[in-house]
Amino acid sequence: NAGVMQNPRHLVRRRGQEARLRCSPMKGHSHVYWYRQLPEEGLKFMVYLQKENIIDESGMPKERFSAEFPKEGPSILRIQQVVRGDSAAYFCASSPPSGPYTGELFFGEGSRLTVL
Amino acid sequence: AQSVTQLDSQVPVFEEAPVELRCNYSSSVSVYLFWYVQYPNQGLQLLLKYLSGSTLVKGINGFEAEFNKSQTSFHLRKPSVHISDTAEYFCAVSDGFGNEKLTFGTGTRLTIIP
Repeated sequence: NAGVMQNPRHLVRRRGQEARLRCSPMKGHSHVYWYRQLPEEGLKFMVYLQKENIIDESGMPKERFSAEFPKEGPSILRIQQVVRGDSAAYFCASSPPSGPYTGELFFGEGSRLTVL
Repeated sequence: AQSVTQLDSQVPVFEEAPVELRCNYSSSVSVYLFWYVQYPNQGLQLLLKYLSGSTLVKGINGFEAEFNKSQTSFHLRKPSVHISDTAEYFCAVSDGFGNEKLTFGTGTRLTIIP
């Protein structure tokens, strides 16, 4: 039973390039969350998606960042024109469809973006 | 708005000694509280959670935490630590409004000294 799968695990980009991070949730899960972890900091919420819908993007930077979770395929976090400050670990987490509240998120191992 | 404060960024502890990792939260609504553990180069794993009921909650790997509403705290404890407990520990809070959006603290790095 595969957990949350993220790829790539490590990504190196030069300033101005685009970064695409992919996340496949656990089987049966339809809610996806993206978090960013900067060095020496905790995780910061970025966006919450359900299939084909962005539910809450209050943590997303206004420019250059976008996320999607299409009907088929993984969720994608896209960062355009990357800058050095985007260097971080990006974690995806998933949770089951609506039901009794459990509060538990299942995390992937993260994608570590380095911007040169 | 909710927030979580973990006052100790690093805690060194001798093996087999007890440990307490502190967490304080602020929220204007009812809260749900969590402790997650992150081993090196891995994602986060749920240790334990408080949703309702008994204020003393037990989790995996011998950890427990106590919800104290009057002190707005949710400290994590273990009576005897092991080398394998070396990791980063994150306290988190949720408002529980139909989703699992969590607000995390900055983490406490637990280092076990042999």
